[in-house]
Amino acid sequence: GAVVSQHPSRVICKSGTSVKIECRSLDFQATTMFWYRQFPKQSLMLMATSNEGSKATYEQGVEKDKFLINHASLTLSTLTVTSAHPEDSSFYICSASPGQGIGNEQFFGPGTRLTVL
Amino acid sequence: AQSVSQHNHHVILSEAASLELGCNYSYGGTVNLFWYVQYPGQHLQLLLKYFSGDPLVKGIKGFEAEFIKSKFSFNLRKPSVQWSDTAEYFCAVNRYSSASKIIFGSGTRLSIRP
Repeated sequence: GAVVSQHPSRVICKSGTSVKIECRSLDFQATTMFWYRQFPKQSLMLMATSNEGSKATYEQGVEKDKFLINHASLTLSTLTVTSAHPEDSSFYICSASPGQGIGNEQFFGPGTRLTVL
Repeated sequence: AQSVSQHNHHVILSEAASLELGCNYSYGGTVNLFWYVQYPGQHLQLLLKYFSGDPLVKGIKGFEAEFIKSKFSFNLRKPSVQWSDTAEYFCAVNRYSSASKIIFGSGTRLSIRP
């Protein structure tokens, strides 16, 4: 099956620093990638949708200047948490879809645990 | 606003017991429906999905789900659970008019006693 990787798996940073998380589709080209945030014992909350070569579409309430998303190629999307604060500590999960449109299956990465001190 | 509800937050069963996890959604239009599973320490995997056709959908590992449009429900079932089914289960909905965007329920943690 399709494999999606994330790097790093865990990151601890100081408040005020920026952190970049990578999401890669290893064996398929991902037209669309998604970024989710998952708080402990809660569901996945969609943060943004990114299509290769275009600006990401952010969900309501998600600060686009704080969570910078770049989808520069069909196999790589990055999420940069700028000026991170303790409240940004969370589990960030990406998913990738080989096609656009309705109901196309998303393949999920293993997630990145961000802890901001 | 569109939402997905999973009313069972934590379900504890013994091996060989039957399972049914509830899922309801609030959207009146055409939807696609999914169940995902997250085993401990692993990433999300698709169990099964419904797009159209037979409302009874069979997935991997003996799971099935039934789409009941009149009840806005998509409950997950398995006739006999195994210890290896211990995991977090997420119901998800994709609005037909919203390309690829999937909304997840809050999840149900399933614990199986050996």
